[in-house]
Amino acid sequence: DTAVSQTPKYLVTQMGNDKSIKCEQNLGHDTMYWYKQDSKKFLKIMFSYNNKELIINETVPNRFSPKSPDKAHLNLHINSLELGDSAVYFCASEGNEKLFFGSGTQLSVL
Amino acid sequence: SQQGEEDPQALSIQEGENATMNCSYKTSINNLQWYRQNSGRGLVHLILIRSNEREKHSGRLRVTLDTSKKSSSLLITASRAADTASYFCATVGDNDMRFGAGTRLTVKP
Repeated sequence: DTAVSQTPKYLVTQMGNDKSIKCEQNLGHDTMYWYKQDSKKFLKIMFSYNNKELIINETVPNRFSPKSPDKAHLNLHINSLELGDSAVYFCASEGNEKLFFGSGTQLSVL
Repeated sequence: SQQGEEDPQALSIQEGENATMNCSYKTSINNLQWYRQNSGRGLVHLILIRSNEREKHSGRLRVTLDTSKKSSSLLITASRAADTASYFCATVGDNDMRFGAGTRLTVKP
């Protein structure tokens, strides 16, 4: 059983489209995150949710909107995709002071 | 903004040698963690060291922390080809966990 799973693994889309990435964790953790990893491997925090409440919202364009229907899920919706959004997006959940990462979604905007 | 900065950016060694990676950061922390990322995969937690600790061991891993210099090092002893991966330090403050850009380690068989 995968602890933190995100789908899809690969996402190729055109500029201007709207897309979503889903994330689910079965670890019973209260806090979940979205990170963006660029081509230089910098891993930048985007959002953090604790028990469905937003606690961190970094300087991210408002085209990015996280949605947490329950504490096991944190989805990421992106409107009006731009070329610069191309990156790998990682979902993670926090437990026992550690982060548990999903395997990433590679987003390519053409 | 990024917090930790790893050094070197890339490291290539022979199997059996030791690998040392460094991390520097700028603000106060509660703890510092090291993670490993294999190509195409998510990060996996390796070890956590608290701000009041100076050294910690886990198997072939040794982590040091110098809060006066705001730096940490990760030593992997007797490296194996399977240790080839990117290694990230993460600094943990009151509200979040921030990563550097990682050190890409290649261990040649």
